[in-house]
Amino acid sequence: DADVTQTPRNRITKTGKRIMLECSQTKGHDRMYWYRQDPGLGLRLIYYSFDVKDINKGEISDGYSVSRQAQAKFSLSLESAIPNQTALYFCATSDPSAGGNQPQHFGDGTRLSIL
Amino acid sequence: DQQVKQNSPSLSVQEGRISILNCDYTNSMFDYFLWYKKYPAEGPTFLISISSIKDKNEDGRFTVFLNKSAKHLSLHIVPSQPGDSAVYFCAASAYDYKLSFGAGTTVTVRA
Repeated sequence: DADVTQTPRNRITKTGKRIMLECSQTKGHDRMYWYRQDPGLGLRLIYYSFDVKDINKGEISDGYSVSRQAQAKFSLSLESAIPNQTALYFCATSDPSAGGNQPQHFGDGTRLSIL
Repeated sequence: DQQVKQNSPSLSVQEGRISILNCDYTNSMFDYFLWYKKYPAEGPTFLISISSIKDKNEDGRFTVFLNKSAKHLSLHIVPSQPGDSAVYFCAASAYDYKLSFGAGTTVTVRA
C-alpha cells in the first residue's frame, strides 16, 4: 500500500464547480504539503501544514483552501474551479522528528482538468 | 521569479555513460538541496540530498556536487541505465523547510 494516497487520481470537471482533492498518509508524519505541477514550471507550493492546528499559505494559494482533518489527512479544495487550475496536484509529507531538513515524500498525484 | 533553475529541459545519454544534470539557485538562504526522480503517472521520488556544509554526497551510482560560491549544484549518474530514464527535479529549502523546485530535466538513456 502507498504511504501517501491521493484521491481521486483523475478528475474532469466544469468551470465554477467545487472540487475537493484528498490526501491521506500512513507515515505518521506531522508535516503535509500541497503542490501543483505545470509544464515548464516544476512544482509550486499551494499550502502546507506543520501540525493539525497549523495551516500556512504557500507560493500560489489564491483560489484554493485546505483542511487538516487529522494528522493523517490533508484536503485541498477549489471553491469555484477555473480552467487555469488545470494541473497535476501532489500531496507530500515530511517528518520533523528526525531533526533539521528532511526529504518530502510524495503521493502519485491527481490529474485535474477543468473545462 | 523562480529561485531554482534547471536550464536544460532534456538530456540524452548512452547507456553506460555518465549523465550530468545541472541546477542553479538564486536564494543564498538555501541550505538543503535535493534531487527527485519522477516517472510518468507517479509522484516524485527522493533520490539524494546535500546539506550546505558539504560539497559532495554520494549514494551508489548517484553523486551530488554543491558549489555554494557559484550557487550551483549538479547530479552525476554513473553508469547510466535504461531505468534512469525519467524527469529529474532539483529542489532547495531554507530554514522554513519549504521546497522550491526547478522545472525539471527529462533524461533519456539510449541502449
